[in-house]
Amino acid sequence: SAVISQKPSRDICQRGTSLTIQCQVDSQVTMMFWYRQQPGQSLTLIATANQGSEATYESGFVIDKFPISRPNLTFSTLTVSNMSPEDSSIYLCSVAGGNHQPQHFGDGTRLSIL
Amino acid sequence: GENVEQHPSTLSVQEGDSAVIKCTYSDSASNYFPWYKQELGKRPQLIIDIRSNVGEKKDQRIAVTLNKTAKHFSLHITETQPEDSAVYFCAAARGGGADGLTFGKGTHLIIQP
Repeated sequence: SAVISQKPSRDICQRGTSLTIQCQVDSQVTMMFWYRQQPGQSLTLIATANQGSEATYESGFVIDKFPISRPNLTFSTLTVSNMSPEDSSIYLCSVAGGNHQPQHFGDGTRLSIL
Repeated sequence: GENVEQHPSTLSVQEGDSAVIKCTYSDSASNYFPWYKQELGKRPQLIIDIRSNVGEKKDQRIAVTLNKTAKHFSLHITETQPEDSAVYFCAAARGGGADGLTFGKGTHLIIQP
């Protein structure tokens, strides 16, 4: 399966700042998604990153807070804006090679907000 | 939207015994059901998945069953080993997996030596 690289792997940030997380895949993939996993909890879908168009956000997540880019079929970014301690989580990207292909996850970005 | 319930939250079994984790889903349009294993500090890893046109799928010691009528699917692990200890998540999606996944809350599986 595809090799998925996320950067940074972890970061500690000040409240009110923003951080951009990168997800790079070593092959073209049809689908890319962003999830959040709060400490000790399950995964929650933030949005589907659409290549060449605006991301599709799930209920409770908005573009102003979590802007997403997907300029091509191998790369996406998620920005966490105006961060507060409640944004402390692991953020994971996942990719699927095509329709009806399983999703595979990157290692995640562990974000702590002070 | 979809809602996935997962039970139990914690499961402790003796090494060599079987473990069963159960999930229910609410959206009758969901047609793709993967299971992920997550070890502490690691990424979730796909261990098995099933689509709605199949009732059962097996891969060595792992099997998944699906009951579409009851909107219920289960993970079965036989001959458990210490390395099976992890958190297991079930998930559901529409579109054969082309849509994002809705996850259950997870089951912490503990294999007692």
